[in-house]
Amino acid sequence: GAGVSQSPSNKVTEKGKDVELRCDPISGHTALYWYRQSLGQGLEFLIYFQGNSAPDKSGLPSDRFSAERTGGSVSTLTIQRTQQEDSAVYLCASSLQEAYGYTFGSGTRLTVV
Amino acid sequence: AQSVTQLGSHVSVSEGALVLLRCNYSSSVPPYLFWYVQYPNQGLQLLLKYTSAATLVKGINGFEAEFKKSETSFHLTKPSAHMSDAAEYFCAVRRMDSSYKLIFGSGTRLLVRP
Repeated sequence: GAGVSQSPSNKVTEKGKDVELRCDPISGHTALYWYRQSLGQGLEFLIYFQGNSAPDKSGLPSDRFSAERTGGSVSTLTIQRTQQEDSAVYLCASSLQEAYGYTFGSGTRLTVV
Repeated sequence: AQSVTQLGSHVSVSEGALVLLRCNYSSSVPPYLFWYVQYPNQGLQLLLKYTSAATLVKGINGFEAEFKKSETSFHLTKPSAHMSDAAEYFCAVRRMDSSYKLIFGSGTRLLVRP
C-alpha cells in the first residue's frame, strides 16, 4: 500500500485478556519495526524483522509479548494476559534495507482497564 | 553505542518567533541523524535527515537542522513559528550496524502561543 497501515486504531481490553495488533507495511519494504510509546515517554524499541532473518526480539519487555511476520509482509504483535502497564501507543514502521529512515503507521492506542 | 539527548521536554514560543529545538548525540562513528514530528493522535512523520552530505539540512514545513560535529549537536530550527507547528518532535540517531534501528530521544513538545 501507499503507507504503513495499522489496525485497530484503538483497542480497549480488560486486564488479563490477550490482544493482537496488526501492521501492514509498505509493499517492498524488507524491514519492519515495532515501537511502544507510553504516555509522556519516548519511543521504546520492541522488535525488528529483516527479510527472512531471525527477528531481533531484544526489546520485548516480557515473555507475554510476541510478534510474527508472515510471508515477509504483514506483522502481528500479540500481548498475552494484558496488564495496565501495557497501555500505550504501539507504533509500527517499515523501511527499505538501504533506506535511512522509517515510515511509521498511525499506531494502535491500547488501553487496558 | 549511539544515543540522543533532547534538552527541554516542553518549548513554548509565540507565533512568528524563532523555533529552536535542541538535540545532542553520542556516537563513536559519523552518525545518521533524523528529526520526526508527531501531531496529536498520529504516527511519526519524517521532517529531515542528515546522512553525511551537506551539514545544513532542509526539511519539510520550513524546518532545517545543522549538523555540528564539534558540538555533537543537530538542533532543529524554523525562522517563524506557525500555530500548525504545535506538535511533539523527536530526534533520532541510526544504529551503525545492519539493523538500521533508530534510537529516539525522549521528545520535545512545541507549544505555539497566538
